[in-house]
Amino acid sequence: AQKVTQAQTEISVVEKEDVTLDCVYETRDTTYYLFWYKQPPSGELVFLIRRNSFDEQNEISGRYSWNFQKSTSSFNFTITASQVVDSAVYFCALKTDSWGKLQFGAGTQVVVTP
Amino acid sequence: ETGVTQTPRHLVMGMTNKKSLKCEQHLGHNAMYWYKQSAKKPLELMFVYSLEERVENNSVPSRFSPECPNSSHLFLHLHTLQPEDSALYLCASSQSTGLAGPSYEQYFGPGTRLTVT
Repeated sequence: AQKVTQAQTEISVVEKEDVTLDCVYETRDTTYYLFWYKQPPSGELVFLIRRNSFDEQNEISGRYSWNFQKSTSSFNFTITASQVVDSAVYFCALKTDSWGKLQFGAGTQVVVTP
Repeated sequence: ETGVTQTPRHLVMGMTNKKSLKCEQHLGHNAMYWYKQSAKKPLELMFVYSLEERVENNSVPSRFSPECPNSSHLFLHLHTLQPEDSALYLCASSQSTGLAGPSYEQYFGPGTRLTVT
């Protein structure tokens, strides 16, 4: 069975602090894909990154960075120098089957205050 | 217009009403999805259409009826809903890769906030 755990329900930080969101996944498949999405108050999920199981390189995109560790089944997400606009719910998701079914974690609410 | 659009953005309906949610994607994708997002629950996949064929029905009650007339449009027909069906309904699209190939990310619309009274 596939499962995604985001243990942090809510994280509150002050602007310019770094924040790391944890994501732990479970799957028996050797080929799988991991995703992060951002859901601002407007409701629309915004795609941030996709990573496949054979690519363990960490990635940096501006203030965002991702740390993929197969050994611990984790795919953590760090926002550096947070800004108020980063306030949103962030979802980690896992895909293993052919038809695009995404298994989402429960989400982590990030609140950035000025 | 670009991306994935959904109408209406907000809908209030009684339990005996019939209504439809509409989703349109302008990304040239050939797979479309309906998700339900309730308070305090993870996102739940409801239906998947690939190349206009339904490929997944995730044990959704029959009071929800999807329709995919072409690869750009997806509908969710609603009838005799229950108050617990109140939720945010999200539509998404992606490239469909069938049984093999890379897995493409899904792009989501803004959702329809449904309230059943």
